[in-house]
Amino acid sequence: DIQMTQSPSTLSASVGDRVTITCRASQSISSWLAWYQQKPGKAPKLLIYKASSLESGVPSRFSGSGSGTEFTLTINSLQPDDFATYYCLHYNSYSNTFGGGTKVEIK
Amino acid sequence: EVQLLESGGGLVQPGGSLRLSCAASGLTFSSHAMSWVRQAPGKGLEWVSAISGSGGSTYYADSVKGRFTISRDNSRNTLYLQMNSLRAEDTALYYCAKDRVGGDGFDMWGQGTMVTVSS
Repeated sequence: DIQMTQSPSTLSASVGDRVTITCRASQSISSWLAWYQQKPGKAPKLLIYKASSLESGVPSRFSGSGSGTEFTLTINSLQPDDFATYYCLHYNSYSNTFGGGTKVEIK
Repeated sequence: EVQLLESGGGLVQPGGSLRLSCAASGLTFSSHAMSWVRQAPGKGLEWVSAISGSGGSTYYADSVKGRFTISRDNSRNTLYLQMNSLRAEDTALYYCAKDRVGGDGFDMWGQGTMVTVSS
């Protein structure tokens, strides 16, 4: 089974900062990776799919990159609404694996 | 507007059974693969099971294989998860989620239904 490892698990940042979250796959997953944002008490929200494609309606300060085994989610100019937990997801037709999550906290 | 509404959660004893439902509206239900994803209290997300749009193909996480059964009724626009032999570690908020067109992750989620396994 493919394992997805996210880092860091917690990140402290200030409004306006540039934030980068990394997700590593235990073997190559091409670009079959999505990123989600989850706020307390809410369902996850899709931000990025196919590693770098921005979901409709998601602010352009969010971007994704990578392929193979290493992926990054970047948030440019962190906004107050962005403090949340972020998850990567490796998806395919028969199995899906989430990373452990990264909580972005206010510094 | 696409809506997914889960129901059927509750308190059940270890070894017991529960059936979750997810009623979908605002979409051509049979066109989309669907999944169940769970989240234990204070923990991360865990994919549980998926089913193709026709219902002909089903997939499970190792942690629930042989105990849970996913199904769907496309005439009723409803997804199900039959959970048997429940364990304490199955305690979680269970979300249903719709596959994005093209299969690129899950683009719509319900609000979740809570399952608590405890004596």
